Formats: sequence, structure tokens, C-alpha cells
Amino acid sequence: EADIYQTPRYLVIGTGKKITLECSQTMGHDKMYWYQQDPGMELHLIHYSYGVNSTEKGDLSSESTVSRIRTEHFPLTLESARPSHTSQYLCASSESGSQPQHFGDGTRLSIL
Amino acid sequence: EDQVTQSPEALRLQEGESSSLNCSYTVSGLRGLFWYRQDPGKGPEFLFTLYSAGEEKEKERLKATLTKKESFLHITAPKPEDSATYLCAVQAGGGYQKVTFGTGTKLQVIP
Repeated sequence: EADIYQTPRYLVIGTGKKITLECSQTMGHDKMYWYQQDPGMELHLIHYSYGVNSTEKGDLSSESTVSRIRTEHFPLTLESARPSHTSQYLCASSESGSQPQHFGDGTRLSIL
Repeated sequence: EDQVTQSPEALRLQEGESSSLNCSYTVSGLRGLFWYRQDPGKGPEFLFTLYSAGEEKEKERLKATLTKKESFLHITAPKPEDSATYLCAVQAGGGYQKVTFGTGTKLQVIP
């Protein structure tokens, strides 16, 4: 059973605020990912990390940033939230690049 | 460009009525094909990985198969608790090993 945790589960916040979405995993996985998922749409990769101090942008352009200072922690930050950032954000980790990704339950973000 | 197409978009079954979900894909050098189950308000839950054509995996009422162009998720005698969205994803070879997801099939099993 995968152990990957995201907080908060839900967040409703005003435009212009700085937001940090937390993601932690207890499996010691090197690889971690952030996806954006809108209703009825596929998951879009916005950031990934192959280890500590390694971060890359994914396919979907995003105004967010990430950091990977510890193996277990991969937070995502929006410096100034906008209504276009309203979406579900999913964090995942995998043991290696060819192993399946294990997902958290997501953060549903609404920007007013 | 890697592509995953799932059909049907939605499927409604009576309890006990077996059926199959389809995942057609194009990918440069398939490294693996993954099936996930996603319940409302939750993240995807991993079900199966298939690596090569001809491979099959089973878990309870679910069986996944793989050919060179598509994968099927067969559901035998489904129960209402099998209701969920089923996602297919493919991983390409190469350094990045990118994973591309389909939009899913929303399955509803009626008692």
C-alpha cells in the first residue's frame, strides 16, 4: 500500500495569495511528480523530480514552482494565485522511472 | 507524439453483466502500460502494469491484456463497488520515460 499524503485536501482562497500545496511520501521513492487534473480530462504533468535538488518542468505550462530539499517532501508553490489556477492537483511518487506511480488523494484548489 | 485513447467514455452495466474497456495507444518504444482506478475525490489507485504484447494480469474480477496497439480491461460479473473511472497510461522509453494518461472510462454498475 502506497503512503503518499497531500495537504490541504481542499482550499478556497482569493486571487493574489501565495499558496503552497504539500506532498509527502514515506516510501523513500526518488521520483516524484505533480499533475493537474480537470474534470473529464487527462492528467497533465506540471513538474517532476528524480531526486533531491533535482526538479524539472513537465509538459503543461504552469506558473507554479517546486522544490525538493528532502527525499520525502515535494511542495508546490503558487506565488500569486489566479482563477485560472483552479483545478485538482495530484502528487505521485515511484520507485524508479519504469515502476508505476502511486498517487495521493489530491488537493482541490479554488481561486476566487 | 504519444497518445492514449480510451473507449467508451462512459459505460453503464447491470450487476453481473461482463464487459471490456479499451485503451488504444501510440507510443515511441513502449516501456509499460498501466491501469488505474480513480474514485470521485480521490487520486488514481494502481491496478496493473503490462510490459509486452501477449501479457495478461488478473485481480479479482479484473483482467488486463495487452497487444501492440491496445489494451483491454475485462470486467467479469461486476459489482456496484467496481463503479469508478478507469484510467490507462503508457510510458515511453528513452531518458525522460514520460507517462501519458488517457481521459478514462467512467464505469457505473447498477444493482
